Amino acid sequence: KAGVTQTPRYLIKTRGQQVTLSCSPISGHRSVSWYQQTPGQGLQFLFEYFSETQRNKGNFPGRFSGRQFSNSRSEMNVSTLELGDSALYLCASSHGTAGNTIYFGEGSWLTVV
Amino acid sequence: KNEVEQSPQNLTAQEGEFITINCSYSVGISALHWLQQHPGGGIVSLFMLSSGKKKHGRLIATINIQEKHSSLHITASHPRDSAVYICAVSLGGNQFYFGTGTSLTVIP
Repeated sequence: KAGVTQTPRYLIKTRGQQVTLSCSPISGHRSVSWYQQTPGQGLQFLFEYFSETQRNKGNFPGRFSGRQFSNSRSEMNVSTLELGDSALYLCASSHGTAGNTIYFGEGSWLTVV
Repeated sequence: KNEVEQSPQNLTAQEGEFITINCSYSVGISALHWLQQHPGGGIVSLFMLSSGKKKHGRLIATINIQEKHSSLHITASHPRDSAVYICAVSLGGNQFYFGTGTSLTVIP
């Protein structure tokens, strides 16, 4: 069974640009969640989608947004990039009900210059 | 304010040693996860706990809901156990607060 797939794996963007990251969950999983990992702040929760609806949202500015499609694939978008947005962005999927194991993708490494 | 406190931050052990990593949290949770992260970024969920104790091979995880504390134990540690171990508490769904991680190095 294929795991959680994130694309692209590595990317470099310039301040002020926007970026879209993609996540394909494990087949049958309806929950997709996104996390940011930086050396200074560690892992932080961005948002979670379940059946195309945002179920939970972390404490990030409105520049960070996401969506989920009917096939459960998800995208997150960061607009007006800042240097501090440089991070590893991780996506995870699960069935979305209590007691389910969560599976992480390998992440997308974003560098903002 | 850190909702999840993890200790120690760094840990070096000789192969075969018994290892304990601790996690304390201050919020009401629906579950607690122990995660393992290897260099390069990939994260694997080792355990999900809402009560009691779980064991997978040489790994044991316990949680005390009343004391808001969990421990991860590794028996007979091996160099392949070298990784960062992260405690994550779930507020509901996959919304987590994360600990800062414990970097474990097991020396042959």
